[in-house]
Amino acid sequence: EPEVTQTPSHQVTQMGQEVILRCVPISNHLYFYWYRQILGQKVEFLVSFYNNEISEKSEIFDDQFSVERPDGSNFTLKIRSTKLEDSAMYFCASSAGTMPNEQFFGPGTRLTVL
Amino acid sequence: RKEVEQDPGPFNVPEGATVAFNCTYSNSASQSFFWYRQDCRKEPKLLMSVYSSGNEDGRFTAQLNRASQYISLLIRDSKLSDSATYLCVVSRGTDKLIFGTGTRLQVFP
Repeated sequence: EPEVTQTPSHQVTQMGQEVILRCVPISNHLYFYWYRQILGQKVEFLVSFYNNEISEKSEIFDDQFSVERPDGSNFTLKIRSTKLEDSAMYFCASSAGTMPNEQFFGPGTRLTVL
Repeated sequence: RKEVEQDPGPFNVPEGATVAFNCTYSNSASQSFFWYRQDCRKEPKLLMSVYSSGNEDGRFTAQLNRASQYISLLIRDSKLSDSATYLCVVSRGTDKLIFGTGTRLQVFP
């Protein structure tokens, strides 16, 4: 069964450093998403991406964040200058775009900012 | 008001019990409705989409009431492996998913 994959599973970084989180969505999917979950809190939307551009972003997704689909398979989230409050689980998801638009999640990257 | 509201629980039930979770959503423009399950420190996994006519998948039955903006999930014959957090999720189409905080279920022997 096709699945979304993410690397690394855990990333530890110093405050102010740049991190890149990587995702390989399901191959025939067209819509890609990043979500995050701070420990003990609910899953929150960050950004959606379709047709090589951002289709929607949340208030969390400020100028420190960017997304890219550098080739036909990878989808990346970059945080330019990490803050302590960026520590969270980051989930990538993808969907085919046909209603009801079921989104399938990767296993997540746990980001720890020290 | 939260966009998606759920009772956080926990619901502690014995194996074999029937348990029901409820959820309300505030945006009447919501078009798609889902139940996901999430195990501790893992990703949300799609349990089922919820349709207006109601739908069933094995021991799981989901109902949607658009007029009341209410979604429910019924689990029959609970198994130990059903222990998890159940997330009520809504969407306006190809938009973002909006998650509730989840309802924790613990099934005991």
